[in-house]
Formats: sequence, C-alpha cells, structure tokens
Amino acid sequence: EAGVAQSPRYKIIEKRQSVAFWCNPISGHATLYWYQQILGQGPKLLIQFQNNGVVDDSQLPKDRFSAERLKGVDSTLKIQPAKLEDSAVYLCASSSVRMATRADTQYFGPGTRLTVL
Amino acid sequence: AQKVTQAQTEISVVEKEDVTLDCVYETRDTTYYLFWYKQPPSGELVFLIRRNSFDEQNEISGRYSWNFQKSTSSFNFTITASQVVDSAVYFCALKAAGNKLTFGGGTRVLVKP
Repeated sequence: EAGVAQSPRYKIIEKRQSVAFWCNPISGHATLYWYQQILGQGPKLLIQFQNNGVVDDSQLPKDRFSAERLKGVDSTLKIQPAKLEDSAVYLCASSSVRMATRADTQYFGPGTRLTVL
Repeated sequence: AQKVTQAQTEISVVEKEDVTLDCVYETRDTTYYLFWYKQPPSGELVFLIRRNSFDEQNEISGRYSWNFQKSTSSFNFTITASQVVDSAVYFCALKAAGNKLTFGGGTRVLVKP
C-alpha cells in the first residue's frame, strides 16, 4: 500500500512570495491533516479535513494560509505572502476512519521543507 | 488542556546500549490515546505504537518496549540493544478531547557505532 505522498520535498522562496504544497493521502483515507513543524519542535496541526470539508482550522493563520481538498482526495496548502517565520517542514497526514476519533492513527508523508529568505 | 513533555532533548549512546525515552502527559480526560512516532533524518514521521488509557499492559515489539503508568502519567519508550539505524528524533503524542493530536518536543537519539 502506498503511503502519503507530498511534493515538492524542498522549496526555497523569498519573503512575500507565494508557495503551494501538494498532498495525496493513502488511498481510501477520509481524514487529511496538515501540520507545521518548526525546527526543534513537535508538529503543530494547521488544518484537518474530513472528506472535502474542514473539521478544524483554528490554528491556521487565515490571513496568509489557505488549504483545500477538492473531491475529498488530494489537498493543497498555500501560503501567500510568505514570511520568514514560515520556514518549517509542512507535513501531511491521513487516517482511515470516517469520523476522526481519539483512536484513529495518523500516517504521515515525508514533508516539504520550506525555507523563506 | 492537553500537554506532552519530553524532558530529554538529546540522548547519545554507543551501539548495543539500551536507551529509555521519557514521556509525561497531562489531560483531564479519562479516555485518551498515546502514541510514539519516529522521525529519521529523511523527515517522515513513522508510527510506532498506539495505546489507550484503559490498557496499562506493557508492550514489547522486537527491540522496542513501552511502559505505560497511569499513576504517574507516563508512557516511556525503551530501545534495547540500540543500533545506528535507531538514530532519529522520537515524538510522544496524546489525543484526548477534541481529537487533536498533541506532540511533545521530541527527543533526539544518536547511536554511535
């Protein structure tokens, strides 16, 4: 079974530019998550989708970050405009349960390392 | 509020030594789940184990073992006879009310040959 796919793996941009990340979850997984992991810290949830609907985006900086999951499969995360503090690894994860519960296990992709200069 | 503390930021051992990673969690919920993930240099978080709050049995999987003690709110992880391939950052995580996965800060393990 293929794992969570993400692209690109690395991205370097200048501040105020825009950038987009793509995620393809494990086949059949209904729930998709985007996390931000700053160097030396644990991942922090940005947004959670259930199929193509948003379940939790309370920690997403909505003035510059946006995400969508059209057709309930692939997802894109966009930053516009980027700031220096957005330098981080952006991880995508998916889980198989129809409704996210405490028991579901999240499986992570390799991440996209973003450097903002 | 939920919180996970991994007090050890980095542990360095020589190959074949045992290493124990500490994890202390805080939650007011009686039903919760605890997880351990491994993050090798490649960056991907690899799922290792999930444990629910009602199952305090210790678990062993090969060279890995986990000690869950509800009385001290701890879920410690031991690697026996460490190998160079065990070098990674290990994260403990908690999921309780709100179904949000809360990670600790991670412990970097360096296994020297």
